[in-house]
Amino acid sequence: GAGVSQSPSNKVTEKGKDVELRCDPISGHTALYWYRQRLGQGLEFLIYFQGNSAPDKSGLPSDRFSAERTGESVSTLTIQRTQQEDSAVYLCASSLDSLPANYGYTFGSGTRLTVV
Amino acid sequence: AQKVTQAQTEISVVEKEDVTLDCVYETRDTTYYLFWYKQPPSGELVFLIRRNSFDEQNEISGRYSWNFQKSTSSFNFTITASQVVDSAVYFCALTFNNDMRFGAGTRLTVKP
Repeated sequence: GAGVSQSPSNKVTEKGKDVELRCDPISGHTALYWYRQRLGQGLEFLIYFQGNSAPDKSGLPSDRFSAERTGESVSTLTIQRTQQEDSAVYLCASSLDSLPANYGYTFGSGTRLTVV
Repeated sequence: AQKVTQAQTEISVVEKEDVTLDCVYETRDTTYYLFWYKQPPSGELVFLIRRNSFDEQNEISGRYSWNFQKSTSSFNFTITASQVVDSAVYFCALTFNNDMRFGAGTRLTVKP
């Protein structure tokens, strides 16, 4: 597609439920990144994919968080047993390769997750 | 440590004023890249500029200009003759391995 698409744009869930957030990167972009942005704060790195592999999972805040990517395209970020502290905007970005210095990132509009 | 500091949390100016957004970074790397992104109310981050560590030449793009000073580890962003449409959160970022490390952002409000 023309840009990075994320769905849903908004999600309200009850504490303890699982949620799945979806990211459709720009076609042909091999690198895909997930960030979390808490209210009024900067972007917190979660995970990145090069192709379908995730060389760096160091940013995932707990084992309740997982992500996968298939077909070098769509990625899903799953949060199990959601907690109120998980409330944030989850941003996805893609890049032509894994070196952000070369091309920078193109960001999606994010998924605003609210855990009540 | 790799770190980006944007000390100004919020700035409010009146239209047509000039405004400078500060960015200070820390890195052990000799080769690195710095970025500025704009996040309007719609939420999508918009790429503004990339600068590599070997190029300290300042850059101007329309009403936007950037001042890169390695001696003070700063990469400041100036908007000249600000407009209401410039209202947004602006993020400075530093490349770190395969990801970018972002500052906390500066919320700029331009009042008519």
